[in-house]
Amino acid sequence: AQSVTQLGSHVSVSEGALVLLRCNYSSSVPPYLFWYVQYPNQGLQLLLKYTTGATLVKGINGFEAEFKKSETSFHLTKPSAHMSDAAEYFCAVFPRGNQFYFGTGTSLTVIP
Amino acid sequence: DGGITQSPKYLFRKEGQNVTLSCEQNLNHDAMYWYRQDPGQGLRLIYYSQIVNDFQKGDIAEGYSVSREKKESFPLTVTSAQKNPTAFYLCASSQPGGGSTDTQYFGPGTRLTVL
Repeated sequence: AQSVTQLGSHVSVSEGALVLLRCNYSSSVPPYLFWYVQYPNQGLQLLLKYTTGATLVKGINGFEAEFKKSETSFHLTKPSAHMSDAAEYFCAVFPRGNQFYFGTGTSLTVIP
Repeated sequence: DGGITQSPKYLFRKEGQNVTLSCEQNLNHDAMYWYRQDPGQGLRLIYYSQIVNDFQKGDIAEGYSVSREKKESFPLTVTSAQKNPTAFYLCASSQPGGGSTDTQYFGPGTRLTVL
């Protein structure tokens, strides 16, 4: 069975602080992994994805994520939070040839 | 400019009425998807279609229907059988094939409110 767990439905950080959003997955086959961002009343925008190759993936807006197979994790980080990073973030897995599975989302608040 | 359009952005419906949400894509993608989003529940798959004239039920298909007569269009009908239809609906598309494909791209969403 496939599943995605995002630890922490709400995360608050100060402007300029490290952002760390956690994602763990279970999958019967090596999956593709994704992070999406959603601003209020908008669709989801792709931040970054891992398919194969280098396990540290860089995305848009200064975000990056590292695929750790041994920990079945794909945590999202950004060294320095900006006010414009406040949004909902979704982790997703795609177990090759099957449907996507999304986490329940993490709402990021950036405190000035 | 390639992308996915959904219309309308806001939709109001009286109880007992069917309503159809539009989704159009010009990305030439074979696969299209409908998701429902409720606060704190993430995205739940309603229906998906891998190819024209074929579609499959997702996790919460009851009370919904779809058609896929054209590659670029995948309309969703919310029927009166759907008990709690008020939600944010998202359409997505992807091009199956592995590697740099298999990425889902989303439309801007339609917020449906039942009065």
